[in-house]
Amino acid sequence: KAGVTQTPRYLIKTRGQQVTLSCSPISGHRSVSWYQQTPGQGLQFLFEYFSETQRNKGNFPGRFSGRQFSNSRSEMNVSTLELGDSALYLCASRALAASNTGELFFGEGSRLTVL
Amino acid sequence: AQSVTQLGSHVSVSEGALVLLRCNYSSSVPPYLFWYVQYPNQGLQLLLKYTSAATLVKGINGFEAEFKKSETSFHLTKPSAHMSDAAEYFCAVGFTGANSKLTFGKGITLSVRP
Repeated sequence: KAGVTQTPRYLIKTRGQQVTLSCSPISGHRSVSWYQQTPGQGLQFLFEYFSETQRNKGNFPGRFSGRQFSNSRSEMNVSTLELGDSALYLCASRALAASNTGELFFGEGSRLTVL
Repeated sequence: AQSVTQLGSHVSVSEGALVLLRCNYSSSVPPYLFWYVQYPNQGLQLLLKYTSAATLVKGINGFEAEFKKSETSFHLTKPSAHMSDAAEYFCAVGFTGANSKLTFGKGITLSVRP
């Protein structure tokens, strides 16, 4: 079974630009979560989507947004980029069956550098 | 609300020595607990998980963790460190339910000296 796939792996943007990151979950997983990882703040939860609906949202400004498509693939968008948005953005998927333990399966991340 | 505390940000051990990475949690409901490992420039990989069955959980690469409810702890151990164990380790707490999400600790970097 293929794992979680994130594209692109690396990208460089300048302040003020916007960026879109893509995530394809494990086949059959309908929940997709996004995390931002930085050396100073660690892993911070951005949001979770399930069946095209946002179910949970972290404490990030409105510049951070996401969506999920009917095939469970997800995108996140960051508008008006700031230097502090430089981070590794991790996508994770999970199954949500009643007996499931809720563990997340992570992609390798998209490394965003803002200049 | 739930939270995870990983004391210290860096642990250094000699090859062959015991590895002990500490994790304490708080949760208002019976938790599920996880340890993840992250190698440089990679995503997180699940090492092991506690899901209210056996309190001593064995994972991959020789790691194990023991759930102690009285101490609200889930410390990760490995009897003998290997150079390949050098990585960052994250403890996480979650619970089942429609609106649950995993909450991660700050992570601990493990260095292994030859």
